[in-house]
Amino acid sequence: SQKIEQNSEALNIQEGKTATLTCNYTNYSPAYLQWYRQDPGRGPVFLLLIRENEKEKRKERLKVTFDTTLKQSLFHITASQPADSATYLCALVMDSNYQLIWGAGTKLIIKP
Amino acid sequence: DTAVSQTPKYLVTQMGNDKSIKCEQNLGHDTMYWYKQDSKKFLKIMFSYNNKELIINETVPNRFSPKSPDKAHLNLHINSLELGDSAVYFCASSQALGAGGETQYFGPGTRLLVL
Repeated sequence: SQKIEQNSEALNIQEGKTATLTCNYTNYSPAYLQWYRQDPGRGPVFLLLIRENEKEKRKERLKVTFDTTLKQSLFHITASQPADSATYLCALVMDSNYQLIWGAGTKLIIKP
Repeated sequence: DTAVSQTPKYLVTQMGNDKSIKCEQNLGHDTMYWYKQDSKKFLKIMFSYNNKELIINETVPNRFSPKSPDKAHLNLHINSLELGDSAVYFCASSQALGAGGETQYFGPGTRLLVL
């Protein structure tokens, strides 16, 4: 069966450290993978997109990797800050219909 | 200026009632979506419209009917509300459908509670 899995337990990280979030999927062949941030009571906000032929993408303190062999994407936040605390969602984009398939998200808590 | 707006933000209603949620985007995008986010936080696509035409219509009860009067608006009407309809409904838009990887811009959500 098709699945997208993100760590369902909250991730607690000390301020200043690197936070690493995981997105694993099975039985999908996405053309793209996107990461979004969702704060409580708000809609998701786009952060980064990575294509299937890209290994890594960076934006300021954010880095995303995409391994289509392992069927996994890692999302890193370096020099984490309490303001980075939120739920982070990964979404696969299918080439067939451009529909986004969403993971349930991982709640990240950065402790001062 | 709000890019994607939804009204109302909160909706509390009785089972069996009919209600509508409105969505507007001022980004000039061609494609709009309705999502349902349940208590487990999964975002599930319900409908997608491209240039006022229905593109994606997932397995959603026909009590849910979207309407797109123009490219900037996508409303959601729900008939005969049921307890299981309680969720947060998000409207979103993207520049276009196709070419893949289109980033989506979300509204603030409408929290629907059916009693």
